[in-house]
Amino acid sequence: DVKVTQSSRYLVKRTGEKVFLECVQDMDHENMFWYRQDPGLGLRLIYFSYDVKMKEKGDIPEGYSVSREKKERFSLILESASTNQTSMYLCASSLPDRGSNYGYTFGSGTRLTVV
Amino acid sequence: QKEVEQNSGPLSVPEGAIASLNCTYSDRGSQSFFWYRQYSGKSPELIMFIYSNGDKEDGRFTAQLNKASQYVSLLIRDSQPSDSATYLCAVNRPGTYKYIFGTGTRLKVLA
Repeated sequence: DVKVTQSSRYLVKRTGEKVFLECVQDMDHENMFWYRQDPGLGLRLIYFSYDVKMKEKGDIPEGYSVSREKKERFSLILESASTNQTSMYLCASSLPDRGSNYGYTFGSGTRLTVV
Repeated sequence: QKEVEQNSGPLSVPEGAIASLNCTYSDRGSQSFFWYRQYSGKSPELIMFIYSNGDKEDGRFTAQLNKASQYVSLLIRDSQPSDSATYLCAVNRPGTYKYIFGTGTRLKVLA
């Protein structure tokens, strides 16, 4: 069964800490994405990557960075965690959109609480 | 105007009825449309995608797309309590790799 795996289901971090969220996919997908999901705001795109070492900002990149050193792994980094980054973080992967896209496969999510 | 809009619900239907979920989008250039189901505390899972005007059926699910009116809908026939979830509509942002999600409609199927 194909998978997107996020390393942690729940995390609690302190304000100012550097936080790493890891995501690994085994589907050989080129595209990988990081979203956060908040009540009433839905899913908002933070960053995405369409190839190794390639990245583009999404709609809310402030306070975040990413790393994609290998095709299967996409990491989200919170440089200095703040309480407003408390959220559910979802990683997703997909094939490139060549007119026949089959959507995202999501990981199980990481619920991050910053205290 | 939001790029993708959905009624937040909850939409309550009795077991066995047809549930109709609607989504409107703002960019006429959008070409790809998806429906995801998200159970409480879980991540979204893809249930349908549609690219062409008209209907697409898969089991109890039918996706309907009307590009002229810029809406996409999801019909769930013979609704079951296990269909109770939040349904997310996603639409591609033309010229990008990005998909924009609506905030979701919460469906409750009453036994």
